[in-house]
Amino acid sequence: QAVLTQPPSVSGAPGQRVTISCTGSSSNIGTGHDVHWYQQLPGAAPKLLIYGNNNRPSGVPDRFSGSKSGTSASLAITGLQAEDEADYYCQSYDSGLEWVFGGGTRLTVL
Amino acid sequence: EEHLVESGEHLVKPGGSLRLSCAASGFTFSNYYMHWVRQAPGKGLEWVSSISASSTYINVADSVKGRFTISRHNANSSLFLQMNSLRAEDSAMYYCARMSFGNIWYFDLWGRGTLVTVSA
Repeated sequence: QAVLTQPPSVSGAPGQRVTISCTGSSSNIGTGHDVHWYQQLPGAAPKLLIYGNNNRPSGVPDRFSGSKSGTSASLAITGLQAEDEADYYCQSYDSGLEWVFGGGTRLTVL
Repeated sequence: EEHLVESGEHLVKPGGSLRLSCAASGFTFSNYYMHWVRQAPGKGLEWVSSISASSTYINVADSVKGRFTISRHNANSSLFLQMNSLRAEDSAMYYCARMSFGNIWYFDLWGRGTLVTVSA
């Protein structure tokens, strides 16, 4: 059971917008710890997608954006493309458990 | 270019031991906090252990506490994970990951992973 809760799956048609939620608690996201997002393509290692709640590393398209409010965070992907089909993970820091991840969300592009 | 490269695949019997290694290149290894993160087949990411730049601070997940030991050798830019008393549930892809420099704690560089299978 992951400390951060994500929906197991989301889907959308090419060009559409999808969001992935990440729900934590008062010991992690709610304490003010930042949320970060990773994209894991099939058979590959995770790759940093969003850091510090809403910052994109160099090379990540601006179709990807993040937000955080209270004990939750969200990843939004606009203009969905076939290459976005992957697993997405949120991550934060927990005062008692150290570094924690969400259970992951599989994005399917219809 | 910055790289992290973990050692190859491993097959070990339950109760056995294994030492994973990760070689860093393209950056000043001794400046960074380093981590091991694992992923069981078909499952999500699980943080395993971390070590500060000078090895002063070490943290270990409860699931491996007392069995796994993280270490590093800055002169050789290498990270290690000594794994003892291995169980079937330790079977996973083990990733070496670099933590960002500063006070926002995310993993900004990942290795390709090394597969560990614990089976009789």
